[in-house]
Amino acid sequence: GNSVTQMEGPVTLSEEAFLTINCTYTATGYPSLFWYVQYPGEGLQLLLKATKADDKGSNKGFEATYRKETTSFHLEKGSVQVSDSAVYFCALSSGNTPLVFGKGTRLSVIA
Amino acid sequence: DTAVSQTPKYLVTQMGNDKSIKCEQNLGHDTMYWYKQDSKKFLKIMFSYNNKELIINETVPNRFSPKSPDKAHLNLHINSLELGDSAVYFCASSQGNTGDTQYFGPGTRLTVL
Repeated sequence: GNSVTQMEGPVTLSEEAFLTINCTYTATGYPSLFWYVQYPGEGLQLLLKATKADDKGSNKGFEATYRKETTSFHLEKGSVQVSDSAVYFCALSSGNTPLVFGKGTRLSVIA
Repeated sequence: DTAVSQTPKYLVTQMGNDKSIKCEQNLGHDTMYWYKQDSKKFLKIMFSYNNKELIINETVPNRFSPKSPDKAHLNLHINSLELGDSAVYFCASSQGNTGDTQYFGPGTRLTVL
């Protein structure tokens, strides 16, 4: 079945540090891949997505590239801010199935 | 305008009670969902409705019953509440039922005492 594995948190970084959150997936067919972000006390919101191999999703300085050969969709940002502190979820959708979420990675950015 | 709204935001109740959570979306989407998020932030889908019809019903106790009076609303009724039901419940909606971006409500934090 479909599954998503993302790195365990929490991740604590200083402001302006480089961020990578790893995400790998297992899926039948050709999934669409997503990163969602959950800020404290809020619901999830879409951060970026990619629908086919080698696509790069980007938003708010975050990027992730759909790598079919390594079944990965790692999230990166060159310089994090305190306001990026949140829980990040990798997710996939494949075939006739709804989103499958990873377990989430909590990011804390300190000034 | 709020795209997906839920009420109440907080719900504190005693074991054994029956409670409902309401969800409304004004996006014109065809599909709505209920998720449960536990204290470790793990997110699990419970139900999915497409055009008022149930399309996903994961392994959830039958004390949980979703009701969709129309395409814009998906309410969750919970009977005989148990301690383990304490969690944050999120409603979401999407245009289609696969691969489309889901839009989440702000969540309802349920505490069962």
